Parts: sequence; structure tokens; C-alpha cells
Amino acid sequence: EAGVVQSPRYKIIEKKQPVAFWCNPISGHNTLYWYRQNLGQGPELLIRYENEEAVDDSQLPKDRFSAERLKGVDSTLKIQPAELGDSAVYLCASSQQGTGGAFFGQGTRLTVV
Amino acid sequence: GESVGLHLPTLSVQEGDNSIINCAYSNSASDYFIWYKQESGKGPQFIIDIRSNMDKRQGQRVTVLLNKTVKHLSLQIAATQPGDSAVYFCAEPHGGSQGNLIFGKGTKLSVKP
Repeated sequence: EAGVVQSPRYKIIEKKQPVAFWCNPISGHNTLYWYRQNLGQGPELLIRYENEEAVDDSQLPKDRFSAERLKGVDSTLKIQPAELGDSAVYLCASSQQGTGGAFFGQGTRLTVV
Repeated sequence: GESVGLHLPTLSVQEGDNSIINCAYSNSASDYFIWYKQESGKGPQFIIDIRSNMDKRQGQRVTVLLNKTVKHLSLQIAATQPGDSAVYFCAEPHGGSQGNLIFGKGTKLSVKP
């Protein structure tokens, strides 16, 4: 069974440019998370979806970050415009409702220069 | 509030020895914990979980111990191998098993050959 798939794996952009990340969760998982992980830190939640509904986006910087999960399957996370401090690894994870553990993708390493 | 933290940021062990990674939590109502392993350049990988109605759970070469009295859990890795070198995180769903995972900073395990 395929795991959580993310693309791209790496992205380098100049500040003020837009960037988008894509995630395809594990088949059948209706919960999808986006996390950000700074170097040497644990992942921090940005947004959580239950199906197509964002049930927790309290940590998402809404002035520049947006996310969508239109059909309740794959999801995109966008940053516009990117800032230097956005450099991090962006992780997508999914889980099945009723279970506690989430399964992570490989992440997208974003470098803003 | 809830917090999940780790006692030591780094741990170095000899190949073949047992490793013990510790984690403290602050919310006495926490009822579910997960250990993740994160290798360099990869997303966190689910290792083992434990619910608060248990004080011990064993997997393949790994054991998680939960001490609710002192709000402490540990991950024990038997016969540590070079492939075990990674950062280990304990994580706890915020607000119960269906919530957002809160991660600690992580412990970097290095295995010496």
C-alpha cells in the first residue's frame, strides 16, 4: 500500500514568490494534516482536515498561507508571498478517523532565499 | 496546558546495547501517546503507541513504558543497531485520541559501531 505522497521533495524560491505543496494521503484516510518542521524541532500543526472540512486551522498564518482539500482526498498548501522565515520542512500526514496514529509523508523541504 | 517534552536532546549508545529514550508530559488527562522515529531527510515514522489503560506495550525490539503517576513515558530499544540512528519524538494528541498531535523536541540517537 502506498504511503502518504508529497511533492515536490525540495523547493528553492526567492522571497515574495508564491509556492505550493501537494499531498496525497493514504487511501481511505479521511483525516489529513499539514505540519511545519523547523530545523532541530518537532513538527508543528498548521491545519487539520476531516474529509474536506478544515476542523483546525488555528495555527495557520492566514495572511499568507492557504490550504484546500476540495474533494476530501488530496490537498495543497500554498504560501503567498513566501518569507525567509518560511524555510522549513512541510509535512503532510493522514490518519483514519477513530485511530490515533498519523502517518507522515517524506515532506517538502522549502528554502526561501 | 499540555506539553510533551524530552529529557535529553542527544543519546549515544554502543551497537548491541539497549537504548532508553525518555519523555515527560504535563496533562494528567492525556490518554494516548505515540513514539515516532525520524531519519534524516524523511518524515516521522510511527513506531509504537500506548493508551493510558496500559503501562507497558511491546513491539519488535521496542518497548514503551508509561508511568502515569509521574507523567513519564519511555521508549526502550533492545540491541540497538546502526539503523536505529534517528531522532525520536514522543507525541500526544491534543484533546484526546482524535486531536492534533503535539510533538516534543526530539532525542537524537546515535549508534556507535
